[in-house]
Amino acid sequence: TQLLEQSPQFLSIQEGENLTVYCNSSSVFSSLQWYRQEPGEGPVLLVTVVTGGEVKKLKRLTFQFGDARKDSSLHITAAQPGDTGLYLCAGSNFGNEKLTFGTGTRLTIIP
Amino acid sequence: DSGVTQTPKHLITATGQRVTLRCSPRSGDLSVYWYQQSLDQGLQFLIQYYNGEERAKGNILERFSAQQFPDLHSELNLSSLELGDSALYFCASSLLDSMNTEAFFGQGTRLTVV
Repeated sequence: TQLLEQSPQFLSIQEGENLTVYCNSSSVFSSLQWYRQEPGEGPVLLVTVVTGGEVKKLKRLTFQFGDARKDSSLHITAAQPGDTGLYLCAGSNFGNEKLTFGTGTRLTIIP
Repeated sequence: DSGVTQTPKHLITATGQRVTLRCSPRSGDLSVYWYQQSLDQGLQFLIQYYNGEERAKGNILERFSAQQFPDLHSELNLSSLELGDSALYFCASSLLDSMNTEAFFGQGTRLTVV
């Protein structure tokens, strides 16, 4: 069974600060996705990374896929209250292309 | 709005009962995936259908079953319900037989078993 561990599990920071969330596995994934989920809603896809070492930017969010495709990070600069939510990483492999979700990081940005 | 519609949004039922959750995928999407989200287990894959056929099975209990109809909507049937079945149940859809690139989730059905 492929497992994705996210850290930290909970994070509460002040508006304007920077933060990094990590997603780690002992398994290799062909692609990795990051989702944000708000209360009462389903997960919403933020980004997909497919190449080892790939870096993608989405406004203030920077996503990186590890060189070995076993881990990923999400960095948020100048966090805003609208960034509050549950951040989930999810991996998939060719031939087994359902998503395996990580344990999640619950982020709270304090105004 | 993801385009994936799930009904009902909330469901409260007693132990031992049977319920049916419904999902309408985004227009044009052929794959439907069911996930269960509980506080202690996170998002767990249950089952996938592609164009009417079962394609992959995850940690789905024998008391649970699903199907995808010719119009591509899907239903998840949960029977002999137990307290531990209380969770959020999400449906997701994708165009192809893969969540590898992009999948869209519905708002979920919150099931409470009392």
